[in-house]
Amino acid sequence: DQQVKQNSPSLSVQEGRISILNCDYTNSMFDYFLWYKKYPAEGPTFLISISSIKDKNEDGRFTVFLNKSAKHLSLHIVPSQPGDSAVYFCAASLYGSSNTGKLIFGQGTTLQVKP
Amino acid sequence: DAGVTQSPTHLIKTRGQQVTLRCSPKSGHDTVSWYQQALGQGPQFIFQYYEEEERQRGNFPDRFSGHQFPNYSSELNVNALWLGDSALYLCASRPSSGTEAFFGQGTRLTVV
Repeated sequence: DQQVKQNSPSLSVQEGRISILNCDYTNSMFDYFLWYKKYPAEGPTFLISISSIKDKNEDGRFTVFLNKSAKHLSLHIVPSQPGDSAVYFCAASLYGSSNTGKLIFGQGTTLQVKP
Repeated sequence: DAGVTQSPTHLIKTRGQQVTLRCSPKSGHDTVSWYQQALGQGPQFIFQYYEEEERQRGNFPDRFSGHQFPNYSSELNVNALWLGDSALYLCASRPSSGTEAFFGQGTRLTVV
């Protein structure tokens, strides 16, 4: 039961253009969503997050959009840079009152930004 | 701030053996979770420790066990290793009041 899905295994964009990475989820109870970036031989690095009570969160070149009715979120990177080339993971969590915060990850999307 | 540190970085074990992986959380973090990442997949939640107790567990057999020490560091133990246990094992920490988890670089376990 894949509760979080990233349907595009890979994405290639030109430097300076926008990168849009997508993520779908099935559990409407998720209350927090996060994006991580992962380089080979390194652990995931936290990028940006959004609470389910918001529909947009922006941090520099990174913006995450949440569409709760569609159970869909997306990460926009503008402008894309070659150093952004990595695997991007979407994750969802159910914090609620217990605040256990178990993360459920998608399969990842490999982004390649061409110079 | 050293961030989340894991040891060892690489490990090769024989099927049937036991292994212990170690994690030191980021300073100020008291909640530690362990994840298994198979090749080409996203990380899968194994369990979470808080106040030296297992607070939540994912869909992993009892061969996987853990421990959290008073200084918040943690260990992951896997008994009776299978070939299928070969994966990258990630430790993540966060403050109990926080929502963003920070990951270590992982331990690459190979079972032969």
